[in-house]
Amino acid sequence: EAEVAQSPRYKITEKSQAVAFWCDPISGHATLYWYRQILGQGPELLVQFQDESVVDDSQLPKDRFSAERLKGVDSTLKIQPAELGDSAMYLCASSFGRVQETQYFGPGTRLLVL
Amino acid sequence: AQRVTQPEKLLSVFKGAPVELKCNYSYSGSPELFWYVQYSRQRLQLLLRHISRESIKGFTADLNKGETSFHLKKPFAQEEDSAMYYCALVIQGAQKLVFGQGTRLTINP
Repeated sequence: EAEVAQSPRYKITEKSQAVAFWCDPISGHATLYWYRQILGQGPELLVQFQDESVVDDSQLPKDRFSAERLKGVDSTLKIQPAELGDSAMYLCASSFGRVQETQYFGPGTRLLVL
Repeated sequence: AQRVTQPEKLLSVFKGAPVELKCNYSYSGSPELFWYVQYSRQRLQLLLRHISRESIKGFTADLNKGETSFHLKKPFAQEEDSAMYYCALVIQGAQKLVFGQGTRLTINP
C-alpha cells in the first residue's frame, strides 16, 4: 500500500542553524500539506499545496520558514534560522484532491532545537 | 472564531465499558467534521467522517448542530482502542482542516 514518506525521522540542531525536511506524497495526490504539532496539541497547518501552487500559507512564519513543491510532487520545508520554539513534530500529509477528502499522513520528522 | 475543542486531554475506561470522546466546534458555516486516530507507533489516520454516517471499528459519531458537537462513541471499549483521537473541522472558505488538541484514550483491562 502506498504511503507518504518523510525524511529525516529525527533531527537535532542548534538554534540559528538551518534545517530542511522532505516529503514524498502518495503518487497521484495533488494536494500536499505540512503541519506542525507541538507536544500536547493537535496538528496545525503550516502550508498547503495544490500541485505546485501554494493554496494556504497563512500560518507559516515566513521570516524563517519556506516551503516548495517545484514539480508538484515532492516537497521541502526549510527553517532558517531555527529557534528553540521550533521544536516540534512536523507532519506531511497528502490527499487526492480537496481538503474534505481523506488526508494520508507521513510518519513525521521530530525536530529538537538546542 | 473557527475552532475545535476537545475538553478531555485524557480519558481512561475499562474494557467493555462505553466510551464517549467529546468534540465541540465553533463554525458559522455548514460543518464537515472528522475523527482522526493515532495508535501507538503508527501514523495519524482517518477514523470516520460525519457525512459517511458509518461505523468504523465499532465507533460512531453523530453531528449535533444544535449543541455544535460531534462526539465519538463506542458501546463496548476494547484494549486495541487505546490511542490518541483528534477531532477535525473543515474550514470551507480557506479549504483547510483544523484539529482539536486531542484526547488520549486508555482502555484498562
